[in-house]
Amino acid sequence: DADVTQTPRNRITKTGKRIMLECSQTKGHDRMYWYRQDPGLGLRLIYYSFDVKDINKGEISDGYSVSRQAQAKFSLSLESAIPNQTALYFCATSDLGQGDTGELFFGEGSRLTVL
Amino acid sequence: GQNIDQPTEMTATEGAIVQINCTYQTSGFNGLFWYQQHAGEAPTFLSYNVLDGLEEKGRFSSFLSRSKGYSYLLLKELQMKDSASYLCAFMDSNYQLIWGAGTKLIIKP
Repeated sequence: DADVTQTPRNRITKTGKRIMLECSQTKGHDRMYWYRQDPGLGLRLIYYSFDVKDINKGEISDGYSVSRQAQAKFSLSLESAIPNQTALYFCATSDLGQGDTGELFFGEGSRLTVL
Repeated sequence: GQNIDQPTEMTATEGAIVQINCTYQTSGFNGLFWYQQHAGEAPTFLSYNVLDGLEEKGRFSSFLSRSKGYSYLLLKELQMKDSASYLCAFMDSNYQLIWGAGTKLIIKP
């Protein structure tokens, strides 16, 4: 089983619908991230969380919200999806403990299409 | 400000060597990463450099010059499975990663 699991892997929805992407991890990491990836652009950070009580906006948080339900779970919501939110979404975890580099461990990705 | 740049696409021949360059600008620096990403898949970690010099790991090596804001990834003995995008990213003073757009590497027989 993957250490970082995202559901759903693929989703097609319509403009205005509410969508939730879920992420769970078994790595025991405190830090979790949501990124989106678009063709020709680098990974862009949406939200990140350094522990259960800590939520921070990333570079492109508008139109998104998150919930950190537990150390192992971090969900991304699109309250009212729009077509330009069509993208590949990645959840990732990291640990910056002593000896760690901050390497990110990614989930398999969730491909979202908004019609 | 912060920025990072890498070539959009490169082509190389199976069995050859290729060097993918990455340049960056930042006021705070906590290391540079290279990730490999096959089409439709998640990025996977290749290397991390925080000090100047060359780090070798099998067929892959990564180099960093902090004074020049420059890194490269060197791939030797290219195999068809090396066809992928290679993502460069630096960690800023807030320990956040700033990503390049990726270099798509095409390997030809």
